Amino acid sequence: QQQVKQSPQSLIVQKGGISIINCAYENTAFDYFPWYQQFPGKGPALLIAIRPDVSEKKEGRFTISFNKSAKQFSLHIMDSQPGDSATYFCAASPDSARQLTFGSGTQLTVLP
Amino acid sequence: GAGVSQSPSNKVTEKGKDVELRCDPISGHTALYWYRQRLGQGLEFLIYFQGNSAPDKSGLPSDRFSAERTGESVSTLTIQRTQQEDSAVYLCASSSAPTVYEQYFGPGTRLTVT
Repeated sequence: QQQVKQSPQSLIVQKGGISIINCAYENTAFDYFPWYQQFPGKGPALLIAIRPDVSEKKEGRFTISFNKSAKQFSLHIMDSQPGDSATYFCAASPDSARQLTFGSGTQLTVLP
Repeated sequence: GAGVSQSPSNKVTEKGKDVELRCDPISGHTALYWYRQRLGQGLEFLIYFQGNSAPDKSGLPSDRFSAERTGESVSTLTIQRTQQEDSAVYLCASSSAPTVYEQYFGPGTRLTVT
């Protein structure tokens, strides 16, 4: 029940295209859903996060869509750029929890 | 300002040896987390420190793993009698809040057990 399932494992997108990464969870106590971006040799960095009181959050080219009834959330990267090539992790946690439960990651490659 | 730093960046050790990994959190951050990242996988929570409270050790995989933190400063993760399955990147994160918000990660220590 603690798992967060992430798909696809890898994604190749042309420059200017839309990248979409999906996550699903089972634990209904999860109340905080961040996305992290990780470049090779670096630690993950918080990209954007959402709480279930809203269905969508947008920051620049990055948008989280959240479907509470389906227990799913997704990351959309608009106008994808080669510099977006990285591994993306979704995560989830109950509001007052102390640790994040991470998805298995999606390796995104944006072709120039 | 300085971010989370970890040392060493790489560590190769022989099976059965003990290793110590170090994490320097962002100054003033009260919360500190250790995670393990196996090749091609997501991050697994290991242990959490918050101020002077008892640490949450619920993620430690075995009694060969332990961690210490003095106050709100440096933390060390110790793995005793290392096994090949311990090979992974060990990531440290710190946060200014007592909850999970905005964890800032270090670059990690890549541990290889031969």
